Amino acid sequence: DAGVTQSPTHLIKTRGQQVTLRCSPKSGHDTVSWYQQALGQGPQFIFQYYEEEERQRGNFPDRFSGHQFPNYSSELNVNALLLGDSALYLCASSPLIFSSYEQYFGPGTRLTVT
Amino acid sequence: AQRVTQPEKLLSVFKGAPVELKCNYSYSGSPELFWYVQYSRQRLQLLLRHISRESIKGFTADLNKGETSFHLKKPFAQEEDSAMYYCALKGTYKYIFGTGTRLKVLA
Repeated sequence: DAGVTQSPTHLIKTRGQQVTLRCSPKSGHDTVSWYQQALGQGPQFIFQYYEEEERQRGNFPDRFSGHQFPNYSSELNVNALLLGDSALYLCASSPLIFSSYEQYFGPGTRLTVT
Repeated sequence: AQRVTQPEKLLSVFKGAPVELKCNYSYSGSPELFWYVQYSRQRLQLLLRHISRESIKGFTADLNKGETSFHLKKPFAQEEDSAMYYCALKGTYKYIFGTGTRLKVLA
C-alpha cells in the first residue's frame, strides 16, 4: 500500500487561473480531508469529504471546492487564484468518520501562484 | 473557540538533554489531542495520541485538563529527534493544528 498519494507534486500557476489537485486515500480509508499549510504555519483545515459529500468546512472562501469520487479519491479545486493561495496542500485520509483513528497524510502538493 | 498554541518556534537542545515541547489548547468538552512529527523530506505522521497513553520513540505526553496543556517530553534527546513537531486537537470533523515547533538536537 503506497499510503495516501497526491498529484501533482509541484504546480506553478498565474493569478486568476484555476487549479485542480488530486488525492488517493490509503487503502481501506473512506474519509478524505484537505489542509492548506502556508510557510511557517501549521496545516489549516479546508474541508472533509465522506460518502461523496462535504461534511465540514473550515474558514475558506467558496473559491475552494472539492469532490469525492465513488472510489474515495478526491479533488480540490481552487478558482481565481490569488498570490496568497501559494502553499503546501495536504490531503489526509482516515478509515471512519467520527472515529478516533489517526489521519494519514499525503506528501502534499506545493502550489506557487505568480 | 478551538485553538492550539505552541509558543516556541524553535527549540535547540544538546544530545542527551531532556526535551519538552509545549502545547496548550482551548476546547470546550473532552479534547482528543495528538502530536504529529515531520522529519526532513518526509510526510506528516502521527507520533502519539493522549488516548492510548503510549510512549513512542521515548516520547510521552500527558493531558493536563487543569492547565489545558499537552506537553511532549523526552528524557534524553537524540540527534534523530530533530524534526518539526505539531500538536493537534481533534474537533468534530477536523484537526486543529498548532504552528509547530522545530526541534534541533545538537551533537
